[in-house]
Amino acid sequence: DAGVTQSPTHLIKTRGQQVTLRCSPKSGHDTVSWYQQALGQGPQFIFQYYEEEERQRGNFPDRFSGHQFPNYSSELNVNALLLGDSALYLCASSQGLPQPYNEQFFGPGTRLTVL
Amino acid sequence: AQKVTQAQTEISVVEKEDVTLDCVYETRDTTYYLFWYKQPPSGELVFLIRRNSFDEQNEISGRYSWNFQKSTSSFNFTITASQVVDSAVYFCALSEAGGGSYIPTFGRGTSLIVHP
Repeated sequence: DAGVTQSPTHLIKTRGQQVTLRCSPKSGHDTVSWYQQALGQGPQFIFQYYEEEERQRGNFPDRFSGHQFPNYSSELNVNALLLGDSALYLCASSQGLPQPYNEQFFGPGTRLTVL
Repeated sequence: AQKVTQAQTEISVVEKEDVTLDCVYETRDTTYYLFWYKQPPSGELVFLIRRNSFDEQNEISGRYSWNFQKSTSSFNFTITASQVVDSAVYFCALSEAGGGSYIPTFGRGTSLIVHP
């Protein structure tokens, strides 16, 4: 039973570029959430997708956008990269309608470095 | 606004010592959920426990135990007889259930180092 998978593992970009990160949820899960984790900090919620719609969004600018596909996989896109976007990006999945008590399963993350 | 504070940035212990990780939270909601996650060096956060605001019973799972006290807005985590494999960063998180928006908030984490 595959867990949450993310690609790529590492990524290096330069300021102003655009990046796309990918996530496949755990088998049987249909809700996907994205988090940004800066070095030495806790994860910060970016947004959540369910039934191919963005259901909730954290305090992130519009440069951060996402998508969920019919097979429940998801993409996170970041435009006009800033140095401050350097972080570990975590994807988490859960089962069913998003609820505050959902147990989330996390992937290993994508380490993004912006130079 | 909800807030989670983990005041201990790093804790270093020797194997077999007991260790308590502190978590203090702030919320205006009466219904909320508290979580603990473990993040080993591999990066994946691993769910450890969930507690709702109406259940103040302490919980024990093997060497792990959790003490939830609404009076002090704390949800502390104790590892008994720590082992090297317990070395990781531990995060406490809070999700409010009121208002339809339950964006989870994580603390900054406590790095636990267990020396052999």
